[in-house]
Amino acid sequence: GAGVSQSPRYKVAKRGQDVALRCDPISGHVSLFWYQQALGQGPEFLTYFQNEAQLDKSGLPSDRFFAERPEGSVSTLKIQRTQQEDSAVYLCASSRVVGEQFFGPGTRLTVL
Amino acid sequence: GQQLNQSPQSMFIQEGEDVSMNCTSSSIFNTWLWYKQDPGEGPVLLIALYKAGELTSNGRLTAQFGITRKDSFLNISASIPSDVGIYFCAGPLNFGNEKLTFGTGTRLTIIP
Repeated sequence: GAGVSQSPRYKVAKRGQDVALRCDPISGHVSLFWYQQALGQGPEFLTYFQNEAQLDKSGLPSDRFFAERPEGSVSTLKIQRTQQEDSAVYLCASSRVVGEQFFGPGTRLTVL
Repeated sequence: GQQLNQSPQSMFIQEGEDVSMNCTSSSIFNTWLWYKQDPGEGPVLLIALYKAGELTSNGRLTAQFGITRKDSFLNISASIPSDVGIYFCAGPLNFGNEKLTFGTGTRLTIIP
């Protein structure tokens, strides 16, 4: 079946603009995760959902970051009033079995 | 911040050589995952390890879960050009929480 898909693949925003990043997980995967990856670094955890419940949002850097998964499938990561330090690749992953997370291609966000 | 240290940070090898890399932590992990990431793509899961001492193979790749549960290694035999990329170890740091902590990465380059 299809893997995790993310859109858009690339996003350029002006500082102060709001952005919304979408993730379509693998069908049937209960858990969905968002990670942020800075250039040359490993992914850093942002938040995760089990079905529609957001179980951990401890990695969200500020209250400008908000994630939702209202029907337990597609998820959206929203960043309000973007800042230059928000520039990074945002990765989404989903899993059916604890531990084995499958990643999408990521959205590269550039804030000018 | 990162709690998994990978070594070496980078490797330059010739095609056909064997490769060995490892991952160490000051904390105990109950699951070790090895991922490979190509430029512009999300990490791809290579091997998952769930039991201390476990040795698992996936084609030319072999990974082991250290007996102390604080380390893991990944070996690649007879490297080929498509092995080029960044290899990350990862695991859930806290039992019962699925979020992954990633290592610092090992960049593999094949010298022509």
